[in-house]
Amino acid sequence: DSGVTQTPKHLITATGQRVTLRCSPRSGDLSVYWYQQSLDQGLQFLIQYYNGEERAKGNILERFSAQQFPDLHSELNLSSLELGDSALYFCASSVLAGDETQYFGPGTRLLVL
Amino acid sequence: AQTVTQSQPEMSVQEAETVTLSCTYDTSESNYYLFWYKQPPSRQMILVIRQEAYKQQNATENRFSVNFQKAAKSFSLKISDSQLGDTAMYFCAFMKRRGGATNKLIFGTGTLLAVQP
Repeated sequence: DSGVTQTPKHLITATGQRVTLRCSPRSGDLSVYWYQQSLDQGLQFLIQYYNGEERAKGNILERFSAQQFPDLHSELNLSSLELGDSALYFCASSVLAGDETQYFGPGTRLLVL
Repeated sequence: AQTVTQSQPEMSVQEAETVTLSCTYDTSESNYYLFWYKQPPSRQMILVIRQEAYKQQNATENRFSVNFQKAAKSFSLKISDSQLGDTAMYFCAFMKRRGGATNKLIFGTGTLLAVQP
């Protein structure tokens, strides 16, 4: 158990819908990262927050957004969902922004039908 | 841009034997971290081992060790006394080291390791 929690574990929805994925970092970690794992694109970095502020963006679609709240939990919002958004979405956390190992949550498996 | 290459899509090893997984990377950075993560059938991403590029000594964690060749940009993982529980997808990952700034992990495509009884 890495100490990073993600909810829900599984999500099944329809095209065009909107979903919210939630992540709670390890106690004491200020930095949260979101990654997407899909069959065709592998593991890709989406976005990172540090102590409530956005720090870096990767290959994140405009239909996707995220935020980190004062209690340091983070949410990833996916809207206007398409079949190709079906993937495993990981949250990871680390103590500092950039110099520490990232510990991963169990992931949220999203299936868009 | 940095890239990570794992040229072995699948490997198989007998229980109690030793196996080495290969990873090469391309970067112009001099300061960085390298990682091996394990993803068993549960799909959880588990840190196996970490190496700081400025350290010449190869990292070791119990049965897991790395062979870090900085000049060759090679970072292989050796698993000794393989166990059935080692069956998983193994990902090599690169991260630039830059104090105070975030750094994403750049992953290879993974090597699926099967440990046979």
